[in-house]
Amino acid sequence: KNEVEQSPQNLTAQEGEFITINCSYSVGISALHWLQQHPGGGIVSLFMLSSGKKKHGRLIATINIQEKHSSLHITASHPRDSAVYICAISGGGADGLTFGKGTHLIIQP
Amino acid sequence: NAGVMQNPRHLVRRRGQEARLRCSPMKGHSHVYWYRQLPEEGLKFMVYLQKENIIDESGMPKERFSAEFPKEGPSILRIQQVVRGDSAAYFCASSPSGALRGETQYFGPGTRLLVL
Repeated sequence: KNEVEQSPQNLTAQEGEFITINCSYSVGISALHWLQQHPGGGIVSLFMLSSGKKKHGRLIATINIQEKHSSLHITASHPRDSAVYICAISGGGADGLTFGKGTHLIIQP
Repeated sequence: NAGVMQNPRHLVRRRGQEARLRCSPMKGHSHVYWYRQLPEEGLKFMVYLQKENIIDESGMPKERFSAEFPKEGPSILRIQQVVRGDSAAYFCASSPSGALRGETQYFGPGTRLLVL
């Protein structure tokens, strides 16, 4: 069993819809990270959080440490949000990040 | 303020050749991480380095792979005698102060290695 599980694996939605991507982990962590990987392959760090909730523009990330669960929400989704969203944990074992397999999000106009 | 730089962006090698991948961290960052993304798979941690020190290489294959981060110059990931299974995207990330603080890591654009 992977230390980091994401769902759904694939998600297609219409422009304007509210999007939720979930992440569960099974070990103690120092922080949880949400990353975005665009079709060109580049990776951008969206959020790093260890408690509560963070918001940046239309993106919101929450974490529940007791339940070992995090969610990434996108409000008023747009086709440019189409990307792979990756959940990762730090402090789970190795010194580097441990990644989920990613959620492939497609927003259709 | 330049971000994390990686070069080359694309590298083609024949089986048995050596591949050298370079990573220059963001200015002021002294901690470098290498990750590998195999085709159709997720990212995997390979190695974590500080200047002149390998801190954690638990994700590195035991043979043919090595990494360094010298006092001067970029971090180098070296793959000797490449095989087709080494074809992947290799990403470097950097952070200011290190893993224990759970810091944001800043990723480079990656090097796409293709082994023929």
